[in-house]
Amino acid sequence: DVKVTQSSRYLVKRTGEKVFLECVQDMDHENMFWYRQDPGLGLRLIYFSYDVKMKEKGDIPEGYSVSREKKERFSLILESASTNQTSMYLCASSLAGRAEAFFGQGTRLTVV
Amino acid sequence: ILNVEQSPQSLHVQEGDSTNFTCSFPSSNFYALHWYRWETAKSPEALFVMTLNGDEKKKGRISATLNTKEGYSYLYIKGSQPEDSATYLCAFGDSGTYKYIFGTGTRLKVLA
Repeated sequence: DVKVTQSSRYLVKRTGEKVFLECVQDMDHENMFWYRQDPGLGLRLIYFSYDVKMKEKGDIPEGYSVSREKKERFSLILESASTNQTSMYLCASSLAGRAEAFFGQGTRLTVV
Repeated sequence: ILNVEQSPQSLHVQEGDSTNFTCSFPSSNFYALHWYRWETAKSPEALFVMTLNGDEKKKGRISATLNTKEGYSYLYIKGSQPEDSATYLCAFGDSGTYKYIFGTGTRLKVLA
């Protein structure tokens, strides 16, 4: 089974802190994604990566950056956390092309 | 930002009822259409990957159809069971950017 693992299930951070959300997949997938999910807004794409060291902005990249130094790991960085970044964050991976995505369990981040 | 709409937003049905819901997406730049099921406290899981106009897919009691010319897909559940209770998401793959845009989902509750 494909496994996508996110480093934390729940996280509470203070405003202004630098926050790292880590995601690891074990199926050698080329593509990796970070989404956030907010009530009534569905899953919104923050960043995605189709190869090591490659990244593309999604629809809401402001306030975030990403890192993909190894194929299996994709990190989401909140440079200076703000309360409006309180959300559920989902990581996903997929093979290249039209293949479906496999999701991690999600990280519920609260910024206070 | 491309618009992917799902209807209805939520649905309550009795056990044994059949039901269907809709995903509407742009009729141009079609790459693929994914359906996912997202149960509470779990990760979204792929149901179907649809790539060709006229595609029909089936998995047990759940089936889906695709019309890329008019920009919609239907998901059908025959003889709903309580374990079908979940949020059903569709994701439109854009051939211009290769991004997947999610709808806000249809929340299904099957009453025993």
